[in-house]
Amino acid sequence: SQQGEEDPQALSIQEGENATMNCSYKTSINNLQWYRQNSGRGLVHLILIRSNEREKHSGRLRVTLDTSKKSSSLLITASRAADTASYFCATDAGGTSYGKLTFGQGTILTVHP
Amino acid sequence: AAGVIQSPRHLIKEKRETATLKCYPIPRHDTVYWYQQGPGQDPQFLISFYEKMQSDKGSIPDRFSAQQFSDYHSELNMSSLELGDSALYFCASSWGLPLIPGANVLTFGAGSRLTVL
Repeated sequence: SQQGEEDPQALSIQEGENATMNCSYKTSINNLQWYRQNSGRGLVHLILIRSNEREKHSGRLRVTLDTSKKSSSLLITASRAADTASYFCATDAGGTSYGKLTFGQGTILTVHP
Repeated sequence: AAGVIQSPRHLIKEKRETATLKCYPIPRHDTVYWYQQGPGQDPQFLISFYEKMQSDKGSIPDRFSAQQFSDYHSELNMSSLELGDSALYFCASSWGLPLIPGANVLTFGAGSRLTVL
């Protein structure tokens, strides 16, 4: 069973545009993480936001977290063709289960040169 | 920098056969996690180990077993393989007690792709 629902399922944009992906989850969390996956390859950790944080930046990435709505968004600014990948949010419930991540379905991002 | 090493990268088996996947965590990482990602699916947590002891268990079939060895590498053993076991199997590692907040940013390996015919 999945914790997170992501939307959109697929996003197609032009280079230079911003890409926004959303994630919703169902249970309380300790932190929420975003991962990137190139087609059929490994998962690369992008950014982690803790439950007591509302916004976090890393380079061209901006993540927001609204625990009252159980939702998060990932914004990639000034996108590049190399950003083409699947993006997953993953929640960590903490407690005795730190590191046991529950992934959302993912958003497939295509950035056209 | 050394990453999480998984082997083999690709594996083809027949139904009812057995497969073993290996994972070598980042040096000094003491926690290992296994995830399964079916075609077009999100990764699903299978099992994790901390200091050679099972620390958590997810949707791992009874036909699967895993362990972490004294050198911290881990092996996932899958028996009586079924077509539905075809998937990408990821290992990830992290440092620190699973109870320490922030210690659990996982580093994933490139995955082992299992195809069951």
